[in-house]
Amino acid sequence: GQSLEQPSEVTAVEGAIVQINCTYQTSGFYGLSWYQQHDGGAPTFLSYNALDGLEETGRFSSFLSRSDSYGYLLLQELQMKDSASYFCAVTEDSNYQLIWGAGTKLIIKP
Amino acid sequence: NAGVTQTPKFRVLKTGQSMTLLCAQDMNHEYMYWYRQDPGMGLRLIHYSVGEGTTAKGEVPDGYNVSRLKKQNFLLGLESAAPSQTSVYFCASSSPEGPVSYNEQFFGPGTRLTVL
Repeated sequence: GQSLEQPSEVTAVEGAIVQINCTYQTSGFYGLSWYQQHDGGAPTFLSYNALDGLEETGRFSSFLSRSDSYGYLLLQELQMKDSASYFCAVTEDSNYQLIWGAGTKLIIKP
Repeated sequence: NAGVTQTPKFRVLKTGQSMTLLCAQDMNHEYMYWYRQDPGMGLRLIHYSVGEGTTAKGEVPDGYNVSRLKKQNFLLGLESAAPSQTSVYFCASSSPEGPVSYNEQFFGPGTRLTVL
């Protein structure tokens, strides 16, 4: 079957660094995406990895290891506005459908 | 540009009633999607469309129908609403480029539906 596993909740301190992990088991794989969703809001795209390695976009970085079926999102210099849920999602086939994880709620303490 | 818009934003239905959710995008995207999101869960794909006049089933299509008569609009219908369809519904659109390119999906603000 298809599954994406990520922690349900992570707590960190403002200004710190936090890593949110995602492991996946899908029938196909084109790439791993990360989305952010604030409470009551819509998901917004953060990053995408199709190949192994690290992609950096400002304070956010995303990593992929295809051989380990594993990726992570790294958030640096945490700000209170980063409090949100973060979802990993796999592009499984050529129809570009996304298979979504259940999300990780990031709680940031001052 | 408005991006992706959804109407209505909120709706309360009684069991057995029907309704249509409207999604519109002004980005000229080929692909459009309807998801539902239940508390503590990720998004589950209901139906999607890869172009005007085409639709396909996603992960949880039962109880829903869709139509894509115009490229910019994607309609989701509930013929006979059930309490299990209480959820937040998101529409999204995208324009994939190539076989190994990312598929950034742009989401509407959501419709919060309660079925009593």
